[in-house]
Amino acid sequence: DGGITQSPKYLFRKEGQNVTLSCEQNLNHDAMYWYRQDPGQGLRLIYYSQIVNDFQKGDIAEGYSVSREKKESFPLTVTSAQKNPTAFYLCASSIASPNTGELFFGEGSRLTVL
Amino acid sequence: GNSVTQMEGPVTLSEEAFLTINCTYTATGYPSLFWYVQYPGEGLQLLLKATKADDKGSNKGFEATYRKETTSFHLEKGSVQVSDSAVYFCALPYSSASKIIFGSGTRLSIRP
Repeated sequence: DGGITQSPKYLFRKEGQNVTLSCEQNLNHDAMYWYRQDPGQGLRLIYYSQIVNDFQKGDIAEGYSVSREKKESFPLTVTSAQKNPTAFYLCASSIASPNTGELFFGEGSRLTVL
Repeated sequence: GNSVTQMEGPVTLSEEAFLTINCTYTATGYPSLFWYVQYPGEGLQLLLKATKADDKGSNKGFEATYRKETTSFHLEKGSVQVSDSAVYFCALPYSSASKIIFGSGTRLSIRP
């Protein structure tokens, strides 16, 4: 079945460590996104990519990095520079313009910093 | 730029009650409008959308009408069920249409 797969579902990290969250899609979508969700808050955009080998910062990119070497994959690295990384991370994809289509989301990755 | 303001929660209702969750927007032009739903422990999924003024989106008994006069896209359901308990997000594209912005979400709990 087509969809978006995020892994791991749960991740624990010690302070000072980098961690990479995986996001893979087989929907043949050009655009991919990373959002962060904190309790009681909406979704905040971290990074997005409209095409392979290109990506843009969202509203809260500091302390995060991404790559888009393949159309299907858009991994997110949470670096030690991210001051408060404990959160629920959601990956999504869409046909190039979200204005006419919809976002398809993965089931999320919950990161806890110990 | 475009923005969206959503009714704060949480909202708690009894089964079979009428539901309204308010959403208002500020936008350049007439972008598509969306409602997404997030069930516990899951990602978001599209619930319904409207692509132009006066359009009504509907799905699973939920409805929302794109009203440009009041810049609103309120979500309604005539008779809620326990299975409707979730967080609901109103959304619209950024001005550039390259990405979507979400409201803060409204948590809905339905009592049996």
